[in-house]
Amino acid sequence: QTVVTQEPSFSVSPGGTVTLTCGLSSGSVSTVYYPSWYQQTPGQAPRTLIYSTNTRSSGVPDRFSGSILGNKAALTITGAQADDESDYYCVLYMGSGLWVFGGGTKLTVL
Amino acid sequence: EVQLLESGGGLVQPGGSLRLSCAASGFTFSSYAMSWVRQAPGKGLEWVSVISGSGSNTYYADSVKGRFTISRDNSKNTLYLQMNSLRAEDTAIYYCAKAPLGNCIGGRCYMIDYWGQGTLVTVSS
Repeated sequence: QTVVTQEPSFSVSPGGTVTLTCGLSSGSVSTVYYPSWYQQTPGQAPRTLIYSTNTRSSGVPDRFSGSILGNKAALTITGAQADDESDYYCVLYMGSGLWVFGGGTKLTVL
Repeated sequence: EVQLLESGGGLVQPGGSLRLSCAASGFTFSSYAMSWVRQAPGKGLEWVSVISGSGSNTYYADSVKGRFTISRDNSKNTLYLQMNSLRAEDTAIYYCAKAPLGNCIGGRCYMIDYWGQGTLVTVSS
């Protein structure tokens, strides 16, 4: 069973830049995994930030960007703001219609 | 404006059944794949199932395969999730979600973009 890995937690200073990653327990992430990123605050539904590696969802500011860095997918947030404090999830396509979410990263802005 | 409104959640006993619905509006429903994603209390997101725009292709997570059935009625712009043989570990908020690309081929068709607000399913005696 392939596991999608994410940092459990991360912190960033207001105005700073942070890069969250999404990897595989075995192998490298590439664009064929269509990595996507979601933001979720407590009690709210998830919000899509990025799909297909680097396509921003409608209304998402360009402070959020997606890429492949080395063997992982990455979500970079520049100019971090207080309301960026959220849980961030990635999901990868495993083929045959199947998707697997990572465990999520809890981002703290302080 | 895309709107997704889930309904049908509630309390059900272990071994019981429940059918969730997701009413969609604001887009050409039949052109887009639709997904169900769930989140157990205090836990992360778990992909459950996806169905193609035509309804001809369906896929399931191993954890629900053989117990859950995804379907859609394109004439009613509604997505369904029939859940049978429910277990305590199926307790979660269930979200329906829309793909970002319509009328496409391949895995990219099954990505997730818009989300509904979710409906809570509680499996308990």
